[in-house]
Amino acid sequence: SQQGEEDPQALSIQEGENATMNCSYKTSINNLQWYRQNSGRGLVHLILIRSNEREKHSGRLRVTLDTSKKSSSLLITASRAADTASYFCATDEGGAQKLVFGQGTRLTINP
Amino acid sequence: DTGVSQDPRHKITKRGQNVTFRCDPISEHNRLYWYRQTLGQGPEFLTYFQNEAQLEKSRLLSDRFSAERPKGSFSTLEIQRTEQGDSAMYLCASSSDRGEKFFGPGTRLTVL
Repeated sequence: SQQGEEDPQALSIQEGENATMNCSYKTSINNLQWYRQNSGRGLVHLILIRSNEREKHSGRLRVTLDTSKKSSSLLITASRAADTASYFCATDEGGAQKLVFGQGTRLTINP
Repeated sequence: DTGVSQDPRHKITKRGQNVTFRCDPISEHNRLYWYRQTLGQGPEFLTYFQNEAQLEKSRLLSDRFSAERPKGSFSTLEIQRTEQGDSAMYLCASSSDRGEKFFGPGTRLTVL
């Protein structure tokens, strides 16, 4: 079963603009992770944010976590064509070892 | 290369045949996971090993599926009597105790 929901399901923006993707989940978590997946390829780990953290940065990525609303957002600043991919959030459902993924956001960066 | 590797990358088989996939995790990782992903969906958990012990199996893992990690290093996932519904990307991931899970490139299975 899929725990999270990403919003929007698809996003198309111009190169250089910022892209924001949102993720909502249902149960308590210890951490939330964001992944990128290029078409037909494996998942690339982007960032992990723990339940006691509210914001985390990595390069052009900014992730926020609001455990009271059970939601997270991923912001990609100054987007590039190479950022075109599907982005997934995944949670650990209360500390379980398995990750539960949403359906992902398909991001297209237009040159 | 110190990442997770999977073999083969692509497998085409006829319905009813058996297939086996291999996953080599990051060497210092004691946890290994298998996931399945169908087109347009997020990955779905199949099973999890800590060292050589298989600690959790999803109900998605029917009795036609079996996974092993005999020496706590590489793992194999076997599907017996494949069905067309088994066509998917099979992803392997590994992690240490820190929680970050790193995925391999996946094995794409097509059942004709």
